Amino acid sequence: DAGVIQSPRHEVTEMGQEVTLRCKPISGHDYLFWYRQTMMRGLELLIYFNNNVPIDDSGMPEDRFSAKMPNASFSTLKIQPSEPRDSAVYFCASSTTTANYGYTFGSGTRLTVV
Amino acid sequence: ELKVEQNPLFLSMQEGKNYTIYCNYSTTSDRLYWYRQDPGKSLESLFVLLSNGAVKQEGRLMASLDTKARLSTLHITAAVHDLSATYFCAVGGNTGTASKLTFGTGTRLQVTL
Repeated sequence: DAGVIQSPRHEVTEMGQEVTLRCKPISGHDYLFWYRQTMMRGLELLIYFNNNVPIDDSGMPEDRFSAKMPNASFSTLKIQPSEPRDSAVYFCASSTTTANYGYTFGSGTRLTVV
Repeated sequence: ELKVEQNPLFLSMQEGKNYTIYCNYSTTSDRLYWYRQDPGKSLESLFVLLSNGAVKQEGRLMASLDTKARLSTLHITAAVHDLSATYFCAVGGNTGTASKLTFGTGTRLQVTL
C-alpha cells in the first residue's frame, strides 16, 4: 500500500485566497483525521470522519475551515479565505476501526500564507 | 478535557547512555501510541500500547503503559545518534475503536557523540 497520500506537499498562497488540501487514506481504513501542527500549539485535531461521516469537528478553528469526505478514498480540507495565522503543516491520518495497528500519517502539506 | 504531558521537553544525551521519557495523561484511557518525527518529516509510528501493563520493544527503544497511574514511558538504551528526533506520545479513547488522538508536547532528543 502507498500509505496515506496528501497533496500538495507545499503550498504558498496570498492572504484571502482559497486553499484546498487533499488526502487519500489507506484502502480499507474507515477513519480519517485532519491534524494541524504549529510550533506554538503542537499537534491539534481539526476534524475526523468515520465511514465518510464527520464525527467531531470541534477542532475546526472557525467557519473559514471546511472539510469533506465525498467517498472512502478522498477527503479535502478547505480554507477560505486564508490568513497568515493559518500557516502550518497539515497532516491527514487514517486508521482501521479498532486502531490496533495505530494511526498512519501522511507526509503532510506545508502551508504558507503571505 | 484530556491533557497529555511529556517530560522532558528537550533531552540532550551522550551516545551510549540510557534515559527515559515520561508521558502522563489526565483521564482514563487504555490506548497509547508513540511516534517519532524527524525535522520536516511526518510522524512515524513506533509503538501501539493497548492495555495496562503492555510493554513493547524495538531495538534500543522500549515503551510501557500503566493505565492505573496514567503513565507511559519510553526508555532509551545505549543511545545512538540515529535516535535523534522528536518523540510524541498520543492518547486515544477508551471504547475499543478509533477516536481522536490527543498528543503530548513532544520530547526533542539530541544524541551527541
